[in-house]
Amino acid sequence: AQKVTQAQTEISVVEKEDVTLDCVYETRDTTYYLFWYKQPPSGELVFLIRRNSFDEQNEISGRYSWNFQKSTSSFNFTITASQVVDSAVYFCALPLDDMRFGAGTRLTVKP
Amino acid sequence: DAGITQSPRHKVTETGTPVTLRCHQTENHRYMYWYRQDPGHGLRLIHYSYGVKDTDKGEVSDGYSVSRSKTEDFLLTLESATSSQTSVYFCAISDHRGPITDTQYFGPGTRLTVL
Repeated sequence: AQKVTQAQTEISVVEKEDVTLDCVYETRDTTYYLFWYKQPPSGELVFLIRRNSFDEQNEISGRYSWNFQKSTSSFNFTITASQVVDSAVYFCALPLDDMRFGAGTRLTVKP
Repeated sequence: DAGITQSPRHKVTETGTPVTLRCHQTENHRYMYWYRQDPGHGLRLIHYSYGVKDTDKGEVSDGYSVSRSKTEDFLLTLESATSSQTSVYFCAISDHRGPITDTQYFGPGTRLTVL
């Protein structure tokens, strides 16, 4: 089966804590792309990152970082020193014959 | 931000009535997509288009049809709306090579309620 699993339905942290959102995927393809999107309470979907299967280097963008490990089929997302504005639903996605999104992880950051 | 608008933004309709949702882009992107978002399911692809008059089915296409007569417009039609089609509908666009590789940019969404 080809799919994306985000096992954490909801996570709640206190501001300034680090938090990691897990994404595990299954695919038989050797070449593929993975994505993370953010959906804040306002409802729009915001693109965060695109990563291809040949690039296993960790990516860092400010307080955001991504750890891609083909050996464990995981593409995890870490927010360092979380802030209230990080509260959102985060989706991992794996395009196959079409775009498959995980069910999302709702992150709540409390002040 | 990508220039994508959706209309209407909110709609309430009754079971059995036809409904058309419109997605309009100003980016001249080749690919356009319709998704539905339901709790616990993330986003699921309904249909997508890879050019004017060229469309293909997604994961949950039953009960929906689409049309694309111009590059900038992609219409989603529910021929006879059912309560199971109550959802938030998102349009997305991308350029380059298609759904497998492209970053997709999303519109603001349409909340549809079928009573």
